[in-house]
Amino acid sequence: SYELTQPPSVSVSPGQTASITCSGDKLGDKYACWYQQKPGQSPVLVIYQNNKRPSGIPERFSGSNSGNTATLTISGTQAMDEADYYCQAWDSRGVFGGGTKLTVL
Amino acid sequence: QVQLVESGGGLVQPGRSLRLSCAASGFAFSIYAMHWVRQAPGKGLEWVAVISYDGSNKYYADSVKGRFTISRDNSKNTLYLQMNSLRAEDTAVYYCARGRDGYNYCDYWGQGTLVTVPS
Repeated sequence: SYELTQPPSVSVSPGQTASITCSGDKLGDKYACWYQQKPGQSPVLVIYQNNKRPSGIPERFSGSNSGNTATLTISGTQAMDEADYYCQAWDSRGVFGGGTKLTVL
Repeated sequence: QVQLVESGGGLVQPGRSLRLSCAASGFAFSIYAMHWVRQAPGKGLEWVAVISYDGSNKYYADSVKGRFTISRDNSKNTLYLQMNSLRAEDTAVYYCARGRDGYNYCDYWGQGTLVTVPS
């Protein structure tokens, strides 16, 4: 079955750029999306179709997907961005990455 | 505004059944695919099942195939998840979510309902 792999944790200083990767076999041939989840809350879509932002999502969130890796980039990271982030793709079934805890130090 | 409200969760003994519901409002429910996604306590998101807009196509995670059934009633704007032969490992918060771009992503999520199956 298809798998997506994320680093368990990423740390970033306020104002710096955070990058979270998501790896899967030929992931670049599929659409990847990203969700943000804060403690006690439901997931929120932040990137869809590799690099599109839903309305209301700040411009500092961006995405890319090529080869075997999709990347979520947060530019000018703010304290409010501290959360768990999950990548997701469709491969005859829905597949989520294991999640990455972003810490803003 | 889009609203998804899950209900039906609770404490259920292993081997028993439970049916979850997801009431949708604020959008044309009948033209969207709908997903169920779960999250075990302290764990990550796990995709469970999806149903096409008209109910003609259904897909399941291997972990629930044969035990869970997704269905919908477009006349009631409601999504269901029938869960049979429940196991301790099914303990999780269950979210319903609206599907987009086929089944590629979920743009709106409910608040979730907790299902607890003791070991």
